[in-house]
Amino acid sequence: AQSVTQPDIHITVSEGASLELRCNYSYGATPYLFWYVQSPGQGLQLLLKYFSGDTLVQGIKGFEAEFKRSQSSFNLRKPSVHWSDAAEYFCAVEGNAGNMLTFGGGTRLMVKP
Amino acid sequence: DTEVTQTPKHLVMGMTNKKSLKCEQHMGHRAMYWYKQKAKKPPELMFVYSYEKLSINESVPSRFSPECPNSSLLNLHLHALQPEDSALYLCASSPPGQGASNTGELFFGEGSRLTVL
Repeated sequence: AQSVTQPDIHITVSEGASLELRCNYSYGATPYLFWYVQSPGQGLQLLLKYFSGDTLVQGIKGFEAEFKRSQSSFNLRKPSVHWSDAAEYFCAVEGNAGNMLTFGGGTRLMVKP
Repeated sequence: DTEVTQTPKHLVMGMTNKKSLKCEQHMGHRAMYWYKQKAKKPPELMFVYSYEKLSINESVPSRFSPECPNSSLLNLHLHALQPEDSALYLCASSPPGQGASNTGELFFGEGSRLTVL
């Protein structure tokens, strides 16, 4: 069975600073990987996804993520954080063969002015 | 239309009440999902409907009863709930997957916040 770990429960960065949110997965083969964002009181919105091919994927809102098979990681990055990026970020993994999406525990991002 | 619409946004009910949560999408998606999300936790899958048939029930108590009347609508009927069922209930839908992916991208509604007194 697949699993996802987001080691950082909370992260605080200053506006304009760079951001990296960590995600590690456990799965026997190459999984399908996703990052979702959830603003307070809202549903989840997909930022980006990795299925195959180029291991650096670009998403919406200036986010990108890099799949590193050797480290079983799919970290999310943004070069310059905006105050509106404050939200909860969920990494998710889906194995093939009909498995459902498994979410990590989430990382709450706070942005200082 | 790329929205998943959930009603009501907020619901307060007693333990003896019967109520329903509703979800609607007009994107032509044939898979629809109910998730439960407690505060500061990730969403937990409850049910999956594929082509209007229940395909996954994650051992959810029978006081939660899903229904998929047609390809655009998904209901969650609630009866005799407990206070610990208070949570944000999220509906999602997904198009046919890419490659071997079963779900592809999930499109979420904003959720129905349920409080059980």
